[in-house]
Amino acid sequence: EAGVAQSPRYKIIEKRQSVAFWCNPISGHATLYWYQQILGQGPKLLIQFQNNGVVDDSQLPKDRFSAERLKGVDSTLKIQPAKLEDSAVYLCASSLNAVPGSGYTFGSGTRLTVV
Amino acid sequence: AQSVTQLDSQVPVFEEAPVELRCNYSSSVSVYLFWYVQYPNQGLQLLLKYLSGSTLVKGINGFEAEFNKSQTSFHLRKPSVHISDTAEYFCAVSEMGSQGNLIFGKGTKLSVKP
Repeated sequence: EAGVAQSPRYKIIEKRQSVAFWCNPISGHATLYWYQQILGQGPKLLIQFQNNGVVDDSQLPKDRFSAERLKGVDSTLKIQPAKLEDSAVYLCASSLNAVPGSGYTFGSGTRLTVV
Repeated sequence: AQSVTQLDSQVPVFEEAPVELRCNYSSSVSVYLFWYVQYPNQGLQLLLKYLSGSTLVKGINGFEAEFNKSQTSFHLRKPSVHISDTAEYFCAVSEMGSQGNLIFGKGTKLSVKP
């Protein structure tokens, strides 16, 4: 089965610019997650979707971050405007459903550098 | 609130030596436990998970972990490491009754030297 696809792999932008990341989950996976991994730290959940609805976005900085999954398949995460502290790897993951213990599959991530 | 503590940020070890990567968690409810591995410039790959049953869990690449409820630990072990095991390892928990999101530790970098 094809894995979780993410693009781009790398992105360098200046602070105050905007950027968007794209994720295509495994076919049939209803649950999609976006995680932020800052250098030296473990991944932190930004937002969780179940189909096209948001399950948890409590840790998403909503003044600058937004995400959508309009048709319940692929998803886009946007940052506008970017800050230096947004430099991180943004990981997308998917699972069959939102049951604890379900296997996650992670994409390779997008490495964002804000200068 | 649930949290995960990985006690060692870096673990250097010689090839063919045994290794243990330590993980402790804190939660007010029962949890599921996971170990993931991350190779450079790659996403996270599941090594093993504990959902229920036997407290000794075997995973891929010869790794195993033991769930200890009284000590709230889930340490990862391998009896003999290879150069190719050099990577970062993350412990994670998911609370029963939650929506399935994972809480990760800060990671342990395993460096295997020849």
